[in-house]
Amino acid sequence: DQQVKQNSPSLSVQEGRISILNCDYTNSMFDYFLWYKKYPAEGPTFLISISSIKDKNEDGRFTVFLNKSAKHLSLHIVPSQPGDSAVYFCAASANGATNKLIFGTGTLLAVQP
Amino acid sequence: DTAVSQTPKYLVTQMGNDKSIKCEQNLGHDTMYWYKQDSKKFLKIMFSYNNKELIINETVPNRFSPKSPDKAHLNLHINSLELGDSAVYFCASSLLPDTQYFGPGTRLTVL
Repeated sequence: DQQVKQNSPSLSVQEGRISILNCDYTNSMFDYFLWYKKYPAEGPTFLISISSIKDKNEDGRFTVFLNKSAKHLSLHIVPSQPGDSAVYFCAASANGATNKLIFGTGTLLAVQP
Repeated sequence: DTAVSQTPKYLVTQMGNDKSIKCEQNLGHDTMYWYKQDSKKFLKIMFSYNNKELIINETVPNRFSPKSPDKAHLNLHINSLELGDSAVYFCASSLLPDTQYFGPGTRLTVL
């Protein structure tokens, strides 16, 4: 039972354009969402998060949007850079239990120069 | 100045052996975790320790035994290794309720 789904295993974008990575979830108790970025042979690194009381959070080139009614969140990267090429994981936690993250399977983003 | 470190980075061993993976964090965090990323890329939590006490144990076979000698260390010992244990194991730490920081991973291959 996969509670967090990233249905696109990969995405290719031109440098300078917008990258949009999507994530869907099924558990309505999720109240905190995160995006992690992972380079090969490294551990995931935290990118940006959003609480369920918000619908948008922005940090530089990265913006996360949350649509609670659709149980959907997305990560926008503008403008995309070749160094953004990595696997992006969406994660969620429920009831304030930030110690128990449920991860999606990741989307491989390739930013073409 | 590595934040979360794991040793070894690669581990190749035979079925039936016992092995350990070590994890150390120098961030002063109070909570540490073990995750398993299998061949399908699912990243799933296995254990979590807060101040050396086990707080999460996610239906992991009891061949897996975490040990936390102090708040900065969380080791994972695996008995009687099976083929299905082949995966990448990530250690992480956090200062609750803040973000988790991950180590570089240990790729375990069981032959």
